[in-house]
Amino acid sequence: GDSVTQMEGPVTLSEEAFLTINCTYTATGYPSLFWYVQYPGEGLQLLLKATKADDKGSNKGFEATYRKETTSFHLEKGSVQVSDSAVYFCALRTNDYKLSFGAGTTVTVRA
Amino acid sequence: GAVVSQHPSRVICKSGTSVKIECRSLDFQATTMFWYRQFPKQSLMLMATSNEGSKATYEQGVEKDKFLINHASLTLSTLTVTSAHPEDSSFYICSARDESGRGGTEAFFGQGTRLTVV
Repeated sequence: GDSVTQMEGPVTLSEEAFLTINCTYTATGYPSLFWYVQYPGEGLQLLLKATKADDKGSNKGFEATYRKETTSFHLEKGSVQVSDSAVYFCALRTNDYKLSFGAGTTVTVRA
Repeated sequence: GAVVSQHPSRVICKSGTSVKIECRSLDFQATTMFWYRQFPKQSLMLMATSNEGSKATYEQGVEKDKFLINHASLTLSTLTVTSAHPEDSSFYICSARDESGRGGTEAFFGQGTRLTVV
């Protein structure tokens, strides 16, 4: 079945550091890929997405490229801020609109 | 983007009682909504797909008699945790898709409900 494997955390960084969270997937067909962010005490918010191979999703300084050859969708940000502290989830969606999530990576950015 | 409102955000109930959680699409209609459960420090697991006007579709291992889902209108789905026990304590979150096309194909999530059974 469809699955997402995400880099385990927690990840602790200093402000302005470079962040990478690895995500790989297994799916039949051609899934859409997503990164969601969950701030403390809140629900999920869509951070970015990509719907086909080689698409790059970007938002709030975060980027991720849909790599079909490596079945990956790694999340990157060049310079993190304290406000980026959150749990990040990689997810995929196939035609039935169900989302399969990775385990989540907790990121803490220290001032 | 489209807004999904979930209520209540937190609830504490006694063991053996039932708790109802509401999920509303505020500015769009959704024939399909999804209910997820999130255990501490774990990912979200899909529990069931709520279908307006018909029975919900439950994922394998989810007790349909335990987690009653009603999707009576195009903007409201409810999840009732019946005869709750401490092991039902969790974070429950719903999502809905704006099928009008305005929201693209995105799923919009509610704020989630933290259920604590004591």
